[in-house]
Formats: sequence, structure tokens, C-alpha cells
Amino acid sequence: DQQVKQNSPSLSVQEGRISILNCDYTNSMFDYFLWYKKYPAEGPTFLISISSIKDKNEDGRFTVFLNKSAKHLSLHIVPSQPGDSAVYFCAASALAGGTSYGKLTFGQGTILTVHP
Amino acid sequence: NAGVMQNPRHLVRRRGQEARLRCSPMKGHSHVYWYRQLPEEGLKFMVYLQKENIIDESGMPKERFSAEFPKEGPSILRIQQVVRGDSAAYFCASSPLGSLAKNIQYFGAGTRLSVL
Repeated sequence: DQQVKQNSPSLSVQEGRISILNCDYTNSMFDYFLWYKKYPAEGPTFLISISSIKDKNEDGRFTVFLNKSAKHLSLHIVPSQPGDSAVYFCAASALAGGTSYGKLTFGQGTILTVHP
Repeated sequence: NAGVMQNPRHLVRRRGQEARLRCSPMKGHSHVYWYRQLPEEGLKFMVYLQKENIIDESGMPKERFSAEFPKEGPSILRIQQVVRGDSAAYFCASSPLGSLAKNIQYFGAGTRLSVL
């Protein structure tokens, strides 16, 4: 029962170009979405989030887009840099769901490689 | 500027032994979450605790696993009679009181448990 899916295990991009990472979800109760970045042997680091009342949130080189009707979100990184090479996880939570508000449901992750 | 601190970073146990994983949340944070990551998978929610209370343990295996977050001291994830299938990376996250509307969780570096 994979409620959050990242269908691309890996993505390779040239430095300076745009990286687009995709995420789909099935649970219509999810109303808050986050992207985390993870380097090997480290914990996930929070990048950017978006509430279901918005369809876009931007922070520097990172922009997250949310399409509620399609249950799809994407993370755009532009311009991509070699230091962005990491595993990116999409996560979702149901803030209005009563007792489940503390729980994040993660996708499987996408390995991003940015080539110089 | 201490983040979420987990120890030990690496833990090796033989089958049947007990494993104790510790997590000190960020200063000012009173909500703690434990996640487990198996190889090639995303993080899976295990348990959500506040001081002296278990709020949501829906992701915890029914047997051998327990968690606590005492009034004083770190949160402890305890695994009794470990088996090889318990080998994984265990991550702790914390969030500050009152931030549930955004539910940004900050992660520690994890404890990598290896069961021989």
C-alpha cells in the first residue's frame, strides 16, 4: 500500500539545467507535502513544503508545484548544481486527519545526479 | 546550535540481543518521531511521542519493539531479541510545540543497526 510514489528511481542532469522530480499520492486526506534531501550516511534535510491550499511555493532555486486534482507534485531545481546530487524524498501528511497529524508518509526516493 | 542527536551512529548486535537507540530532540522541541529505512526503500513511520506520552504507534511492530520519551532524558527506541530483519537505519525526527500546522520535522543522522 504505497500511498506516496516516486516512480523515477534516478535522474541525471547537466549542471545549470533544470531538475524536475515527480511525486504522486493516492490518499486524498493528505493536505501538506514536503521535500527532503538526503546524503549518504546522513539524515534527511528539509528543503521545501507546500500546503494543499496552494499550488506553488518557491524558495530560491527550489520550487514545488502541487496539482491536487491529479494528486501530483513536483520539485523543480534551477539551475542545478553538482552539490544538489543526493536522494530526494517526497513526504506527505494529513494535518486535518485528527490523530494522524504527526505522521509523515514518504516516497521511495529519487537519486539525482548533477554532472559538471 | 545542536540539531537532533542520535546515538550510537552504528550498532552491531547478535540475534537475540537487545538494541537501544537514543534520540535527543532539538532544543525547544517536544515532539519526537521514529522512522525506519530498509535498504532501497523510503522511510517508514514507526511511532510519534510527546513527553511521557505515545501519541501514535501505528507503525510499530506488535512485538519486541517499544518506545518512550521520558520527562527527563532522550527518547529511547528499544528492540528486544533482535533478528536479522531488524537490520536497518533508524531515524529520529523532532518538531517544536505548536508547529503542527506546518509539521516540519527535523531529522537526526540516524542509527544504523546491523544484526549478525
